[in-house]
Amino acid sequence: DAGVTQSPTHLIKTRGQQVTLRCSPKSGHDTVSWYQQALGQGPQFIFQYYEEEERQRGNFPDRFSGHQFPNYSSELNVNALLLGDSALYLCASSRRTSGSYEQYFGPGTRLTVT
Amino acid sequence: RKEVEQDPGPFNVPEGATVAFNCTYSNSASQSFFWYRQDCRKEPKLLMSVYSSGNEDGRFTAQLNRASQYISLLIRDSKLSDSATYLCVVNFLTGKLIFGQGTTLQVKP
Repeated sequence: DAGVTQSPTHLIKTRGQQVTLRCSPKSGHDTVSWYQQALGQGPQFIFQYYEEEERQRGNFPDRFSGHQFPNYSSELNVNALLLGDSALYLCASSRRTSGSYEQYFGPGTRLTVT
Repeated sequence: RKEVEQDPGPFNVPEGATVAFNCTYSNSASQSFFWYRQDCRKEPKLLMSVYSSGNEDGRFTAQLNRASQYISLLIRDSKLSDSATYLCVVNFLTGKLIFGQGTTLQVKP
């Protein structure tokens, strides 16, 4: 049973560029959430997708956008990259009907903006 | 005030020791509570959910006090492999997880 997968593992971008990160949820899961984790901090919620729609959003600017596909996989897009966007980006999947709200994380994509 | 607050530590303990971590949360409407473990440069892994009645999983015991908005994690007989950052996590019903900063544990031989 494959767990949550993310690609790429690492990415280096220049300020002002755009980036797309990808996530495949755990088998049987239909909900994908994205988090940003800066060094020394806990993960911060960016947004959550279910049934191909953004259901909730954290306190992140519109430069952060996403998408969910019919197979439940998801993308996170960040436009006009800033140095402060350098972080570990984590995808977490869950099953909405489980009622437990437990989320399982992928290995993350480490983004460095120079 | 942060929504979930933890003492970042580090907690340095010898093998075999008992160690306790505490966490407070600000939103009384919080519904679900978890402890996640995160190793250096890895993803958080679910350690255990926390129930109102308290729950135990081997050497780990979690407690929840809704009246005081307080969550705890007790680790008995610490092992070297327990060294990690422990994240206190709260869910506000909607599936949005709010993480604390994390508490770092170092278990020494």
